[in-house]
Amino acid sequence: AQTVTQSQPEMSVQEAETVTLSCTYDTSESNYYLFWYKQPPSRQMILVIRQEAYKQQNATENRFSVNFQKAAKSFSLKISDSQLGDTAMYFCAFIATAGGGADGLTFGKGTHLIIQP
Amino acid sequence: EAQVTQNPRYLITVTGKKLTVTCSQNMNHEYMSWYRQDPGLGLRQIYYSMNVEVTDKGDVPEGYKVSRKEKRNFPLILESPSPNQTSLYFCASSFIQKGTYEQYFGPGTRLTVT
Repeated sequence: AQTVTQSQPEMSVQEAETVTLSCTYDTSESNYYLFWYKQPPSRQMILVIRQEAYKQQNATENRFSVNFQKAAKSFSLKISDSQLGDTAMYFCAFIATAGGGADGLTFGKGTHLIIQP
Repeated sequence: EAQVTQNPRYLITVTGKKLTVTCSQNMNHEYMSWYRQDPGLGLRQIYYSMNVEVTDKGDVPEGYKVSRKEKRNFPLILESPSPNQTSLYFCASSFIQKGTYEQYFGPGTRLTVT
């Protein structure tokens, strides 16, 4: 069974600062994907960024980037130039993809990120 | 517009009264799944389906049923709801064959069982 751990229940930074959210996971699988999802107060789940385990290069999407350390099973999210609209719950998620199929996303418990004006 | 829809968005019901939450996607995704979200627990998978007529249990399947008779629809059935099933429910879908696995979520259904 997979587990995903987010050790920071809540973080608060000033607007325009850079913030890093941590995530570690535990798995015996070799084929998997990792994701960060954002959940604003509207409760909608929004995909922020995706990382394939077989890719060494860290994924980047505009102000969002990850630091993927496969050996350490670490998958942190960095948000640069943070904006008020980044205030949300952030969930780290894992999916194993053995044999071309998939079971389901395993989520961490989330980090509540607050961007202060 | 590509989307996952859920109905109803809000539901208050009483213990034991059967209910169904519908989920539909228009992206021709093979994979569909149901999650529940509870404070402090994150999201947990209830059931998932790899394709039509193929369903499997997730981490918290007790008290729920699903069916996948058509590719686009994946309803969640609570035969005899209980107060501990009060939660926020999400349906999600994704491609499997194309190897992206990123799941698109519906807007959520807030269920209260009294």
